[in-house]
Amino acid sequence: QVQLQQSGPGLVKPSETLSLTCSVSNYSISRGYYWGWIRQPPSKGLEWIGSISHTGTTYNNPSLKSRVTISIETSKNLFSLKLTSVTAADTAVYYCARGRGWTADDAFDFWGQGTVITVSS
Amino acid sequence: SYELTQPRSVSVSPGQTASITCSGDQLGNKYACWYQQKPGQSPVLVIYQDNKRPSGIPERFSGSNSGNTATLTISGTQAIDEADYYCQAWDSGTEVFGGGTRLTVL
Repeated sequence: QVQLQQSGPGLVKPSETLSLTCSVSNYSISRGYYWGWIRQPPSKGLEWIGSISHTGTTYNNPSLKSRVTISIETSKNLFSLKLTSVTAADTAVYYCARGRGWTADDAFDFWGQGTVITVSS
Repeated sequence: SYELTQPRSVSVSPGQTASITCSGDQLGNKYACWYQQKPGQSPVLVIYQDNKRPSGIPERFSGSNSGNTATLTISGTQAIDEADYYCQAWDSGTEVFGGGTRLTVL
């Protein structure tokens, strides 16, 4: 069973950079698939942030594109999210997930546990 | 930008069939998938590629997609199915989620 373990600080100050890491177990990310980040503001729905392939091809949500960097480290079997210039609107539960197919346009079949991120001074 | 529209809430009696719709322009020409999310938990994939069930998902969950509407159907709905359900599709290099539907079993 593929497992995704998220890590990162829960509190970020306004204007600073949010950084999260997703470590993958029981599957070598160098083998393939896409890996994504999704967030959920309090009491709201899911919002896709972006996805990355094992070779580093990325797709990002246009509404966040200029602030988002998703990277992958196959040697460490993890991928990461950086979101710059955060504001209170970025407060959300952030999830990492695995795309089940070999292309970016597929469903997410395994999810991390979620990380509560609060943007506040 | 592409949008997927879901009803905010659906109610169903135990044992009955629940149908949750997801509407988008020419959605039938794309693959739709569905997630179940219970309070405080991560989403769980229940349907992918319109009508396929991942391993471990009960047979009472089924899906269809045609025209502008994808539908998640839960047959013989149980109390444990009470949750939020989200549809998702891919359009022009972007993953899009519907706004979510709260399924109440009463």
